[in-house]
Amino acid sequence: DIVMTQSPDSLAVSLGERATVNCKSSQSVLYSSDNKNYLAWYQQKPGQPPNLLIYWASTRESGVPDRFSGSGSGTDFTLTISSLRAEDVAVYYCQQYYGSPTFGQGTKVEIK
Amino acid sequence: EVQLVESGGGLVQPGGSLRLSCAASGFTASNYAMSWVRQAPGKGLEWVSAISGSGSHTFYADSVKGRFTISRDNSKNTLYLQMNSLRAEDTAVYFCARVKQEKIFDRWGQGTLVTVSS
Repeated sequence: DIVMTQSPDSLAVSLGERATVNCKSSQSVLYSSDNKNYLAWYQQKPGQPPNLLIYWASTRESGVPDRFSGSGSGTDFTLTISSLRAEDVAVYYCQQYYGSPTFGQGTKVEIK
Repeated sequence: EVQLVESGGGLVQPGGSLRLSCAASGFTASNYAMSWVRQAPGKGLEWVSAISGSGSHTFYADSVKGRFTISRDNSKNTLYLQMNSLRAEDTAVYFCARVKQEKIFDRWGQGTLVTVSS
C-alpha cells in the first residue's frame, strides 16, 4: 500500500494568516497516462464526517471557498489556507487514490 | 439534497457479526460506486471496501478481506456491509461514502459506531 505522511501533526495559526499542510506519498501518485495526480484533501470538523475539499491535487470541489488551494505533484503535496478563519479549525487529511485508497494521519489546525 | 444515512452499528462480542446499512437519497445510486471508510476512536481514516454502481465489482482492504462483504440493493438505494469474525481492532465509526469518480469520496454519511468488546 502507498503510505501517506502528513506534516506537521498539528499547527496553530493566527486568524487571517496562512496555514500550510504538507503531504508526502511513499511512491508517486502521478499517473503517466493522464498526467493527473491522484490526490485529494478532506476537512473533518469535530463530530462530523470528512468533507471533500480538493481532488486531482488542485481542483477545488464545488462550494469550497477559494482560500483553500492544493498544489504539488508526484510525491509531495501541499494544502494551503490563504487566510485562516475560525470555521477552518479542523483536522485535514490527504488521500491517495492511485492504488487502494490510503489516508495521511491527519493534521490538526487550530487558532493561535 | 444528497443524503447518506448509516444504521446497524452497536456493541458486539469478538467473533460476532453485524450488518451495516446505508440508505441513500437525493441521487440515482446506481450511477455511483459506493464505499465504506472507518475511523477508530481518536484516530485517522481507513478505507474498508468499495462496490461498483451495478454491484458487479467489489474491493476490500487487506485488513477485512475474507471477513467483510459489501453489497448493494439499487432498488432500495441501500448499501450494506456484512461484518463477520469481528475483532477488537474493528471498533470504529463506519462511514458510507459516495464515490465521485475514481476513488474520490464526495459525500459522506454521519457514520455508525461499531464496538467490538466482551
